[in-house]
Amino acid sequence: DAGITQSPRHKVTETGTPVTLRCHQTENHRYMYWYRQDPGHGLRLIHYSYGVKDTDKGEVSDGYSVSRSKTEDFLLTLESATSSQTSVYFCAISGGQVYNSPLHFGNGTRLTVT
Amino acid sequence: KNQVEQSPQSLIILEGKNCTLQCNYTVSPFSNLRWYKQDTGRGPVSLTIMTFSENTKSNGRYTATLDADTKQSSLHITASQLSDSASYICVVSRGGLSGGSQGNLIFGKGTKLSVKP
Repeated sequence: DAGITQSPRHKVTETGTPVTLRCHQTENHRYMYWYRQDPGHGLRLIHYSYGVKDTDKGEVSDGYSVSRSKTEDFLLTLESATSSQTSVYFCAISGGQVYNSPLHFGNGTRLTVT
Repeated sequence: KNQVEQSPQSLIILEGKNCTLQCNYTVSPFSNLRWYKQDTGRGPVSLTIMTFSENTKSNGRYTATLDADTKQSSLHITASQLSDSASYICVVSRGGLSGGSQGNLIFGKGTKLSVKP
């Protein structure tokens, strides 16, 4: 397994509360990504980072923010969780631009918003 | 519209049998096609990455084929094992676009394979 650790692995939270998910990598890869996986959908990109403090939006970024203060850590924050954000969240990393570089995934965080 | 369609949605086979999973795509410009295996409760793990010029690529009992003309790929699993039970995800990468990642990977919804003893 690529050195990617996601925490927590499971979380239950209430609607309206803030939630932060953490991704930690030991590969020193430049690019980091947050995806969500829902039944009936392929993996969808939320946000990505192409360097420390360099981030950009993906296709489903509404309601999410990210931060990357160190190469190894990429945080995903739900400012005010909603039931539609119940999902499995995956962090991924790549050494180069993702269109021609392998993408390695963490084992996910299962988030339930009640 | 850039899309990746996988079939079947789910498949049940007996241990030891072979099976083939299909992936059709309408993605442009094409850079490469990837197959991932995702075990329940785990993240996807790469099986193969195929570029435009590669027709066939193997990884143990997994063999992927690519026909760039018809925009079709298949993943063939030989002599299936119980540990092959997983979802298999086809991913097509778009190339030649600016930026790090926006819209560059198009994911299929996956085929859920169950191997029964």
